[in-house]
Amino acid sequence: NAGVTQTPKFQVLKTGQSMTLQCAQDMNHEYMSWYRQDPGMGLRLIHYSVGAGITDQGEVPNGYNVSRSTTEDFPLRLLSAAPSQTSVYFCASTTGTGGKEQFFGPGTRLTVL
Amino acid sequence: ILNVEQSPQSLHVQEGDSTNFTCSFPSSNFYALHWYRWETAKSPEALFVMTLNGDEKKKGRISATLNTKEGYSYLYIKGSQPEDSATYLCAPWWYSTLTFGKGTMLLVSP
Repeated sequence: NAGVTQTPKFQVLKTGQSMTLQCAQDMNHEYMSWYRQDPGMGLRLIHYSVGAGITDQGEVPNGYNVSRSTTEDFPLRLLSAAPSQTSVYFCASTTGTGGKEQFFGPGTRLTVL
Repeated sequence: ILNVEQSPQSLHVQEGDSTNFTCSFPSSNFYALHWYRWETAKSPEALFVMTLNGDEKKKGRISATLNTKEGYSYLYIKGSQPEDSATYLCAPWWYSTLTFGKGTMLLVSP
């Protein structure tokens, strides 16, 4: 099993550009989440999904869109990149209802100029 | 937004020292409490998932306890080693998601 995979690993954007961060898992997990990591802020939840076709907002959803058309994939779209979105982004997945560990992808380091 | 507090923010100990960290969280609607270990330039990895009040879990030199009635969990490391240097995160499971504390950064010097 590949676990949770994320692409790209690094990305530089200009302000106003759009892009999609890809996330996929091969563990048949129902729950998937996107976090951003900023210095001194820990991991903050952007969006999450409890199954295909179901998504919801987390703590910091503004400027991001998600969709979940399949169990495996959970892409994160930046609509119009801003310097404040410079961060490291982690995708994660888990099964069950909180009683099982969450698996994280390797992260995407995004810089917005 | 769930308020999850971790203390201390950072800790610097010598090899062989034992240490402990605290995670505080709201006790209402509790379901599970997760602990993760996060090394620099890597992804967080699960240490423990705890669900029962009074639960105690152990993995090698690391152990954790849980008090759901008062809303706190302790993580203990016995005889710290340089390879234990990492950020330790706690996160209660609440309404289908994990809400992470800001973590305790541990540095163990040889």
